Amino acid sequence: QLVLTQSPSASASLGASVRLTCTLSSGHNNYAIAWHQQQPEKGPRYLMKFNSDGRFTKGDGIPDRFSGSSFGAERYLTISSLQSEDEADYYCQTWGIGIQEVFGGGTKLTVL
Amino acid sequence: EVQLLESGGGSVQPGGSLRLSCAASGFTFSSYAMGWVRRAPGKGLHWVSGISASGRNTYYADSVKGRFTISRDNSKDTLYVQMNNLRDEDTAVYYCARFAGASWYDPFDSWGQGALVTVSS
Repeated sequence: QLVLTQSPSASASLGASVRLTCTLSSGHNNYAIAWHQQQPEKGPRYLMKFNSDGRFTKGDGIPDRFSGSSFGAERYLTISSLQSEDEADYYCQTWGIGIQEVFGGGTKLTVL
Repeated sequence: EVQLLESGGGSVQPGGSLRLSCAASGFTFSSYAMGWVRRAPGKGLHWVSGISASGRNTYYADSVKGRFTISRDNSKDTLYVQMNNLRDEDTAVYYCARFAGASWYDPFDSWGQGALVTVSS
C-alpha cells in the first residue's frame, strides 16, 4: 500500500528558499504526485502535478517561485523568495487503484 | 474561472443528518469527477468520497462507508453528500474538490472554500 510521508513542520526566513519533501513508501518510486497549499482559514489550492516522467505542470496562476523536482522515492516542492503569504500547510497527494489515504500528513511551513 | 461553492454545513447532534451541496461553475461539470475532502480539527486532509463524471461510480472511505452517500446532478452542476448517523469524529471542514479528469485516477485540481460540520451533543 502506497503511503506518503511528510515532515510535520518546516521553517525558513523571509526571502529565502525552502524545500519540502514528500517520501513515497518502498516500491512506489514511479508514482506521480500533486502538491497543494492550504493557507490559514482558506480552502486548499492546487499548486502542481509532478509526473513519473520527471515533468511537472503547475496550476493556473501559480508563481514561478514554486517548483517541483524528484529523486528516487522523494518528491520535492521548492519555494524561493519566500513571502509571508507562503506560510501555510502543504500537502502532497497521490492517486491510483485501491489507494485510500491519498494525502500525506502535511507540512506546516513557518516563514520567519 | 472554476468556482466551487459549498453550502449546508452546520451543527448537529450525534446520530443526526446533514446534506452538503456544492454548486460548480466555470467549467463543464459533467466532464469531471468530483469529491469531498475533510479536515478535522488538528488533523490533515482526508479524502472521504468521490464520484465519477457520469455518476455511475462512487468511492467511500472506510470511515464513512454506509453512512455517507455522494451524488451529483449534472443538469444543475451540483454535487451533494448526504451524511447520516453522524459521529463526533465527523466534525470537520468539508471541501468540495474537482478531480483533473473523469475519474479519481487524477489529482484534485480545484477546491471550494469549505463548509463546517460540527457534531456535538
